[in-house]
Amino acid sequence: DVKVTQSSRYLVKRTGEKVFLECVQDMDHENMFWYRQDPGLGLRLIYFSYDVKMKEKGDIPEGYSVSREKKERFSLILESASTNQTSMYLCASEWGDPGDTEAFFGQGTRLTVV
Amino acid sequence: SQQGEEDPQALSIQEGENATMNCSYKTSINNLQWYRQNSGRGLVHLILIRSNEREKHSGRLRVTLDTSKKSSSLLITASRAADTASYFCATDAMPGSARQLTFGSGTQLTVLP
Repeated sequence: DVKVTQSSRYLVKRTGEKVFLECVQDMDHENMFWYRQDPGLGLRLIYFSYDVKMKEKGDIPEGYSVSREKKERFSLILESASTNQTSMYLCASEWGDPGDTEAFFGQGTRLTVV
Repeated sequence: SQQGEEDPQALSIQEGENATMNCSYKTSINNLQWYRQNSGRGLVHLILIRSNEREKHSGRLRVTLDTSKKSSSLLITASRAADTASYFCATDAMPGSARQLTFGSGTQLTVLP
């Protein structure tokens, strides 16, 4: 079974802190994604990566950056956490050819910024 | 931008009844997928239907796709309390677009025992 692991289930950070959310997948997938999920807004794509050292902005990249130094690891960075970044963060890796993709999600990290 | 929009936003039914959720989307797609999310957990892939398919079954799940109306429906038959979850549709856009799944905002299904 594909496994996508996020480093923390729950995090509480202070405003202004630099926050790292880690995601590791074990199936050699090339594509990885970070989403945030808020009530009534569904999943919104923050950043994605199609290869090592490659990154692209999603729908809501402001206030975030990412790092993909190794194929299996995709990190989301909040440079200076703010209260409006309190949310559930979901990492996913994707399998398949164009037109036949399937996403595998981690268990999520619920981040609270106080 | 939201590609898929689920309807209704919330649905409450009795155990044993069927649950139907709908998804509408805007652009041409390669395939459409349905995912399930239990409270506070990640998403789990349920079923994928390709743009050249009209109906697909998997266990108690039945998915239809109408590309002329840009819509899909997910039917869960003989629902159980354990089916209580949020259900999301996701669209995989046609070649030429960025390769990513675009998710709707979900339908919250509650199955009452």
